[in-house]
Amino acid sequence: SQKIEQNSEALNIQEGKTATLTCNYTNYSPAYLQWYRQDPGRGPVFLLLIRENEKEKRKERLKVTFDTTLKQSLFHITASQPADSATYLCALVGGYQKVTFGIGTKLQVIP
Amino acid sequence: DTAVSQTPKYLVTQMGNDKSIKCEQNLGHDTMYWYKQDSKKFLKIMFSYNNKELIINETVPNRFSPKSPDKAHLNLHINSLELGDSAVYFCASSQSTPDTQYFGPGTRLTVL
Repeated sequence: SQKIEQNSEALNIQEGKTATLTCNYTNYSPAYLQWYRQDPGRGPVFLLLIRENEKEKRKERLKVTFDTTLKQSLFHITASQPADSATYLCALVGGYQKVTFGIGTKLQVIP
Repeated sequence: DTAVSQTPKYLVTQMGNDKSIKCEQNLGHDTMYWYKQDSKKFLKIMFSYNNKELIINETVPNRFSPKSPDKAHLNLHINSLELGDSAVYFCASSQSTPDTQYFGPGTRLTVL
C-alpha cells in the first residue's frame, strides 16, 4: 500500500542553523510533491511545489529537493528563526489530482 | 476578504445528531476539497469537487454527504454523528490542478 513517512514527529534546532526535514514515500509515483506549513489551530499554508522532473526548488530561505529514484524529498530552512516553528507537511499529488499528506514534522527553533 | 471561509469554527453535538459545515471560497477556483484531520494530526482527503462535480470520493461512510450548490461553495452534511467523527474538518480550494491548495481555518467537531 502507498505510504508517506516524514522523518520524525518533532525536530528541535538552534536558531540560525539549517533545518532539514525528510519526506519518504513507497508504492507511489507522484506527479509532483508539495510542502505546507501548519500552525496550531490553523489550516495548512502552501510553501513550495516541485515536479517529478525537477531536482531542486528554492524560495527565499526555503529549498526543496526531489529524488524520484530514492523516493525522497528534503525540505531545508536556512538561517532558521523562532518564527519558523510550526508543523511542516509534505503532500504527494498523483493520479486524478489526489493529494496525500504525510503526518508532518513539528519543528521547534530554539532562540 | 478571507479567501476560504468555513462556518462554524466550533461544533459540539450529541451522538446521533445531523450537522452541516459550510465552506465558501472567493478565489474563483474550480476545485474544492474536504479534509479530515484526526487527533493524531493526520490530514486525509475525503472529497473533491471540480466545477460542482464530484471527482474524488475516498472511503468515507455514506453518512457524509458533500453538496456543491455552485463553484464557490462546498458544504458537508453529516448524518447520525458518531464519536469517531470528532476531528477538525478543513475545506480547501485550488485551480483545476492542485498546484496550490488554499485551506480554510478548519471546523473543530466534537461529538459527545
